[in-house]
Amino acid sequence: QKEVEQNSGPLSVPEGAIASLNCTYSDRVSQSFFWYRQYSGKSPELIMSIYSNGDKEDGRFTAQLNKASQYVSLLIRDSQPSDSATYLCAVNKETSGSRLTFGEGTQLTVNP
Amino acid sequence: EAGVVQSPRYKIIEKKQPVAFWCNPISGHNTLYWYLQNLGQGPELLIRYENEEAVDDSQLPKDRFSAERLKGVDSTLKIQPAELGDSAVYLCASSQIGADTQYFGPGTRLTVL
Repeated sequence: QKEVEQNSGPLSVPEGAIASLNCTYSDRVSQSFFWYRQYSGKSPELIMSIYSNGDKEDGRFTAQLNKASQYVSLLIRDSQPSDSATYLCAVNKETSGSRLTFGEGTQLTVNP
Repeated sequence: EAGVVQSPRYKIIEKKQPVAFWCNPISGHNTLYWYLQNLGQGPELLIRYENEEAVDDSQLPKDRFSAERLKGVDSTLKIQPAELGDSAVYLCASSQIGADTQYFGPGTRLTVL
């Protein structure tokens, strides 16, 4: 079992729809959780971090964390073609500092 | 504030040749990471430095890969000799010591022929 698994893509949604990206992790001691966006040929860019159970909203993005189910998700509301990218889920097990384990990523395409 | 700087951006070499990548982290970031990213995969940690000390190099293939961060600022990752399977993007990231947010550089795309 991989430490971090993401729903297999590619995912395609129409412009204006909600895109839902999912991630599960295997290690219960995981402390913090991140979503990175990576455009083709570019480096990962941090878009959201979440540390406690529940929802965290930032503009059109909402991250959801359920530690009991070992599940983290990212919702993108009012999806735009510029949101088309690969979304990487990353998990940190350290209480101080950072050692990230990444999922394979989910490729999202938003169709105009 | 300048971001993480990496060079070169692209490198093409023949197998068995040596290659080196350079990274300069964000000013004030004591922790530096080197990752390998294969096509269609997430980044995989190769080595993590806190200042000049390599605190996590368990995933670094030490038979051909080496890294250094002599003055605790910029860092070099070397492969010698390169193999076909080393073709990938090599990413450098940095963070403040004790912090959990990492910032990535643009990466070096290596092609081994």
